[in-house]
Amino acid sequence: GAGVSQSPSNKVTEKGKDVELRCDPISGHTALYWYRQSLGQGLEFLIYFQGNSAPDKSGLPSDRFSAERTGGSVSTLTIQRTQQEDSAVYLCASSLKEASGRAFYNEQFFGPGTRLTVL
Amino acid sequence: EDQVTQSPEALRLQEGESSSLNCSYTVSGLRGLFWYRQDPGKGPEFLFTLYSAGEEKEKERLKATLTKKESFLHITAPKPEDSATYLCAVQPYSSASKIIFGSGTRLSIRP
Repeated sequence: GAGVSQSPSNKVTEKGKDVELRCDPISGHTALYWYRQSLGQGLEFLIYFQGNSAPDKSGLPSDRFSAERTGGSVSTLTIQRTQQEDSAVYLCASSLKEASGRAFYNEQFFGPGTRLTVL
Repeated sequence: EDQVTQSPEALRLQEGESSSLNCSYTVSGLRGLFWYRQDPGKGPEFLFTLYSAGEEKEKERLKATLTKKESFLHITAPKPEDSATYLCAVQPYSSASKIIFGSGTRLSIRP
């Protein structure tokens, strides 16, 4: 079956421009995460969507970053007025809803990422 | 502050030379600890979830163990195809969603 897909795979933009990054999660997965990975660094949590609940936006680094998830499926991460420090790989992951009891968490399936370069 | 530290940053082994990767964590109540494998240019691939101290999980040449302060990923008789970056992550009880990742260990296996 199809995995998580992201587009574009690469994006080069000029400082000050807005960019939109897209994530198509695995069908049926209700949880969706966005992460940022800078060169040689671990993954930095950005935002989490779970079903129809209000998203957890606690990881967004500034108000230039926003994300939405339409119809509980496709998600778009928007970065306004991009800065050079925004250059990184942006990864999306999806998982089944958190289960109850011991298996509280289901494995995340990651997309290949979007490499963003801000000149 | 919740944090995850992985060591070493990089490890080069000869094929067949067993070793261990370390993941030390500080978290206010552990929901779970996760290991992922990441190949260059790709997203991380899930390997294991560990929930409580003393728990162990195995997959092929990999075995993950967990104590109250750290986790080890043991690699037995590695092959060149095991070369990748291995990421450790924790989820604290304080958050239903936030996962905290370490910066990873880059593992290279020479034939």
